[in-house]
Amino acid sequence: SQQGEEDPQALSIQEGENATMNCSYKTSINNLQWYRQNSGRGLVHLILIRSNEREKHSGRLRVTLDTSKKSSSLLITASRAADTASYFCATYTYNTDKLIFGTGTRLQVFP
Amino acid sequence: DTAVSQTPKYLVTQMGNDKSIKCEQNLGHDTMYWYKQDSKKFLKIMFSYNNKELIINETVPNRFSPKSPDKAHLNLHINSLELGDSAVYFCASSQDVSGSTDTQYFGPGTRLTVL
Repeated sequence: SQQGEEDPQALSIQEGENATMNCSYKTSINNLQWYRQNSGRGLVHLILIRSNEREKHSGRLRVTLDTSKKSSSLLITASRAADTASYFCATYTYNTDKLIFGTGTRLQVFP
Repeated sequence: DTAVSQTPKYLVTQMGNDKSIKCEQNLGHDTMYWYKQDSKKFLKIMFSYNNKELIINETVPNRFSPKSPDKAHLNLHINSLELGDSAVYFCASSQDVSGSTDTQYFGPGTRLTVL
């Protein structure tokens, strides 16, 4: 069954605002990754956080991981129109040896 | 330079036909994947190959047959196409066998429409 559930399904904000997306999963993981998908394009890797890490930053991105709650969040600060895309979390566990993607959050940033 | 490329980008065909999608990566990666993304944007792995050997084979109908002539190519052949096969198919690659530490690089996708 599907591993990740993302919330919200869709998010609309103005440029300059922050966007927060959440991902919940069901079983223990070894790492969690976030990907972006622009309309009609393939996925682009954004950031990877390991199960022993709690927070990670990359530019305007901040990812947190709470393994006790089996959840992660992706924060995009000072959003831009170019951030408009779908964002997916993907979980990895050694025993399945594959990435399982969440349902995605569609982010719309209005100029 | 395109890292992971797929051809064709669009594929429209009739039920019952056989079709192939080609994928090539120029990243020197050892592992390649096929994913299917349905109309609700749900992305699911179908196959993975490492150095031309099948590693992951999800519960995909045997009408789907991946072929890896070398580690830079992973093609997907689909026999007897059905309406439910309509989706976007993504090829991806990574350096390592698993997603343990590695980024996966995705191709632009092939939108398959079965009429």
